[in-house]
Amino acid sequence: GQQVMQIPQYQHVQEGEDFTTYCNSSTTLSNIQWYKQRPGGHPVFLIQLVKSGEVKKQKRLTFQFGEAKKNSSLHITATQTTDVGTYFCADPAGGTSYGKLTFGQGTILTVHP
Amino acid sequence: DAEITQSPRHKITETGRQVTLACHQTWNHNNMFWYRQDLGHGLRLIHYSYGVQDTNKGEVSDGYSVSRSNTEDLPLTLESAASSQTSVYFCASSPGTGPSETQYFGPGTRLLVL
Repeated sequence: GQQVMQIPQYQHVQEGEDFTTYCNSSTTLSNIQWYKQRPGGHPVFLIQLVKSGEVKKQKRLTFQFGEAKKNSSLHITATQTTDVGTYFCADPAGGTSYGKLTFGQGTILTVHP
Repeated sequence: DAEITQSPRHKITETGRQVTLACHQTWNHNNMFWYRQDLGHGLRLIHYSYGVQDTNKGEVSDGYSVSRSNTEDLPLTLESAASSQTSVYFCASSPGTGPSETQYFGPGTRLLVL
């Protein structure tokens, strides 16, 4: 089935450093969603990207969708301890799999104060 | 406020026992999903439902079953628990009115099979 590959699996940063996670697909995505899961918590929706080359910002978080709609990235500027958690990209399958999401493996971010 | 709940939050069981995990949502969402989360594998879809009496298999459905008798509930049953089913289980729901919807997750159930 369709897969989205997410890298890196782990990222350790010092507070104040930047962080980026990447999501790649072998096929063209209709759109892509990003979720955050705090330690011990549940995934929470962050954003959805729809258009080729789209860039959206949420405070220190910048989300990009590639021109070919085969990749996406999440960049956090000047990380804070509140940014710790696992970040997932997710591909809405569409078609006959209406409403389903295929998740990347996630990137676990730790931030050292 | 509308919400999605799971019970129990923690469960310890023995190999071979039948276990049922409950999921209840009050958003009146049509779509409901069950995932398991294991380190290195992200969230993997077990079963999902698009509405009452509808159930579908996900990518890791072996050993699991679901039933949808009403809009609010999608219980997940492990027919004969195995140690490989030790995991964190998340239920999620979405409205079911469009192709690319946000999913809303429950708090999760941690299951340990001894």
